[in-house]
Amino acid sequence: DADVTQTPRNRITKTGKRIMLECSQTKGHDRMYWYRQDPGLGLRLIYYSFDVKDINKGEISDGYSVSRQAQAKFSLSLESAIPNQTALYFCATSVGTSGTLYNEQFFGPGTRLTVL
Amino acid sequence: GQNIDQPTEMTATEGAIVQINCTYQTSGFNGLFWYQQHAGEAPTFLSYNVLDGLEEKGRFSSFLSRSKGYSYLLLKELQMKDSASYLCAVKSNYQLIWGAGTKLIIKP
Repeated sequence: DADVTQTPRNRITKTGKRIMLECSQTKGHDRMYWYRQDPGLGLRLIYYSFDVKDINKGEISDGYSVSRQAQAKFSLSLESAIPNQTALYFCATSVGTSGTLYNEQFFGPGTRLTVL
Repeated sequence: GQNIDQPTEMTATEGAIVQINCTYQTSGFNGLFWYQQHAGEAPTFLSYNVLDGLEEKGRFSSFLSRSKGYSYLLLKELQMKDSASYLCAVKSNYQLIWGAGTKLIIKP
């Protein structure tokens, strides 16, 4: 089945460490997104990419960077992790505007990151 | 600013009907989504409304009033597996703006 995968699924790290979260998809979608989810808050957009050469900051990009290595791969990096970056991180994909009426986003299983 | 409001938590009984409301104020509007999210899992798509009115999909229906900035998700014949969070999201200027979600607890 076409899918969205994330690695690692869980990670515990220390303040100041560099962390990379990876996302791969076999859906053939052009658009990819990184979100974080915190208890009591909605999903918040960190970065999004409409194709390999198009990277855009989202609502909360400070402290994060991304790389779109290929249509199917979109990585999120925390250059120097801090405790308030402890959260559940989701990658998502969608087709472009020429796709389905809904253009809904499909989510990976999430990465639970803890920064001590 | 952009704002989406949903109740934090609701409780309902197995077999009953529940309505989860969502109000929004966004700078643009290109449609409203409802997603279901079980604890610790990824959100999954439930419904999409872009025109006013009711969209029905089996036990789930979603309603939209653009003039009122209001939507609701109606769940009928509740089952225990419907215990989850329900997320409302507005598509605004190529992005999705998400509500915090409504945790729905189903009791036998």
